[in-house]
Amino acid sequence: GENVEQHPSTLSVQEGDSAVIKCTYSDSASNYFPWYKQELGKRPQLIIDIRSNVGEKKDQRIAVTLNKTAKHFSLHITETQPEDSAVYFCAASEAGTYKYIFGTGTRLKVLA
Amino acid sequence: NAGVTQTPKFQVLKTGQSMTLQCAQDMNHNSMYWYRQDPGMGLRLIYYSASEGTTDKGEVPNGYNVSRLNKREFSLRLESAAPSQTSVYFCASSEQIRGSEQYFGPGTRLTVT
Repeated sequence: GENVEQHPSTLSVQEGDSAVIKCTYSDSASNYFPWYKQELGKRPQLIIDIRSNVGEKKDQRIAVTLNKTAKHFSLHITETQPEDSAVYFCAASEAGTYKYIFGTGTRLKVLA
Repeated sequence: NAGVTQTPKFQVLKTGQSMTLQCAQDMNHNSMYWYRQDPGMGLRLIYYSASEGTTDKGEVPNGYNVSRLNKREFSLRLESAAPSQTSVYFCASSEQIRGSEQYFGPGTRLTVT
């Protein structure tokens, strides 16, 4: 089955700096890679996703890149703000199913 | 449109007690999921239901059972709770399309003493 590894587990950045979170996956047949943001005490919510036929996708200050050859994808947040502080999870679809396998999460702290 | 709802929000059980976590969605989604979230472990899939009438095991199914009562409702049962089942439980739903967004409920915080 699919396995997803996520790094780093914690990340602190100064407000206005960029943050990058990286994930690797094991199943080359995976074709969908969502990113979820979870604020303290809240439910996870989708912030951006990418499909395997696309190399990069942007939405305002966030972007995701995918390298299928290396089987890794990354979340990039530019001009970080205090409200970006949260736990971020990557996930990869398991081929042939409706399941997603999640990474272990990255706690991002944006320091004012 | 309430989205995905879960009851209860908090629960404390003694070892060996049983309980059922309830989940309902009003988005007409076919697929529903149960996850548990533990510190440093991310979201781990317990069981899922790709469509009404079907259920399948996820990564950590031991100690749990599920029932897809109808298209809207998907319940998770702990028959004999153990301290290792102390966790936050999230229900989610999605369209039955590969690569579609999963919508999460607010979660149930369960403590087993």
